[in-house]
Amino acid sequence: EIVLTQSPATLSLSPGERATLSCGASQSVSSSYLAWYQQKPGLAPRLLIYDASSRATGIPDRFSGSGSGTDFTLTISRLEPEDFAVYYCQQYGSSPITFGQGTRLEIK
Amino acid sequence: QVQLVQSGAEVKKPGASVKVSCKASGYTFTIYAMQWVRQAPGQRLEWMGWINAGNGNTKYSQNFQGRVTITRDTSATTAYMELSSLRSEDTAVYYCARGRQGDVWGQGTTVTVSS
Repeated sequence: EIVLTQSPATLSLSPGERATLSCGASQSVSSSYLAWYQQKPGLAPRLLIYDASSRATGIPDRFSGSGSGTDFTLTISRLEPEDFAVYYCQQYGSSPITFGQGTRLEIK
Repeated sequence: QVQLVQSGAEVKKPGASVKVSCKASGYTFTIYAMQWVRQAPGQRLEWMGWINAGNGNTKYSQNFQGRVTITRDTSATTAYMELSSLRSEDTAVYYCARGRQGDVWGQGTTVTVSS
């Protein structure tokens, strides 16, 4: 199975700053079938990015995804207070589908 | 609007089974797959399997060693996930999510396994 490793584990930033989250895969992700989710406490994950770089419906354009093969990045251009949450990457190109361990984005 | 509504919380004893439902509305049920994902307290998301809601074909994670069964009822636009031989480590929130990308999620169902 493809193991996804996210870094950093925790990212401390202030509103207005730029956030860069990384997701590395143990093998190449087929057809860039990689997604990013945001999860807040007590809530279900929310899809942000699919197919590595396509924004999901209703997602603000400050969220962007990039990468291919084994290295992927989620960038939040200017952090808003509501962006502080846990972020997961997921690959859905190979079975079993796998998730990263998450990056906690906290207010500095 | 598109939504997935899951059944309520469950408390089960070790060795029992649990069946969680996921009622879909607002879209054509049979043209999307439905996946099931769980999250133990403080842990990462874990994929369990999915079903092609059109033809009923399923794919499961080997991590559950045959304990999980996913079905659907197209007339009720509902998907089901049954997990058997429950143990304490199965205590988690269980989610259904639409499609491979998981663009819509249910609200989650808490399953507690305790003697």
